[in-house]
Amino acid sequence: SQQGEEDPQALSIQEGENATMNCSYKTSINNLQWYRQNSGRGLVHLILIRSNEREKHSGRLRVTLDTSKKSSSLLITASRAADTASYFCAQGTSGSRLTFGEGTQLTVNP
Amino acid sequence: DTAVSQTPKYLVTQMGNDKSIKCEQNLGHDTMYWYKQDSKKFLKIMFSYNNKELIINETVPNRFSPKSPDKAHLNLHINSLELGDSAVYFCASAGLEINEQFFGPGTRLTVL
Repeated sequence: SQQGEEDPQALSIQEGENATMNCSYKTSINNLQWYRQNSGRGLVHLILIRSNEREKHSGRLRVTLDTSKKSSSLLITASRAADTASYFCAQGTSGSRLTFGEGTQLTVNP
Repeated sequence: DTAVSQTPKYLVTQMGNDKSIKCEQNLGHDTMYWYKQDSKKFLKIMFSYNNKELIINETVPNRFSPKSPDKAHLNLHINSLELGDSAVYFCASAGLEINEQFFGPGTRLTVL
């Protein structure tokens, strides 16, 4: 299977805590992207990290990429109840194809 | 204004029927996609069109036929619907520079 795997499948934390989600993949990539999906909605792009980058920040988001281990992590700092959603990593390969991971369901309790 | 729109949002139909889902994007993107998300939230690509030309065609039953009348529209027609077709179908679009994709709100298809 070319799909990525995300870990954990579900994560429940308290507001204000940090949330870390991990993603592993199997094929070579051009970039690695993270998306958020709120319940009943479409996916929303959060951040993209290119294969030659190791770390990227966007607001409360921090993404790392280790191409030697074929893994990435998404850190959400100072989480809020509104961060409750499913988070997906997606491997960007040639030809504008994205292959999505299985997702992590994050619940942030007020 | 909605960037990627899909209609209908919900579709309930009987087995054996034929149905269509429409998708439109006003972002000026050249590439559009159809994805299927199952009950476990697993998202799988079905088709991709670039400027009205089919570029990705995954292993999908030939009961599913995409149609792109112009680069702003990518419709999905499904013949002889089966119970296993029940899922949420997402349309997405992307520009040329990067792979960031913009998703529509989804169409929840329920086959009875």
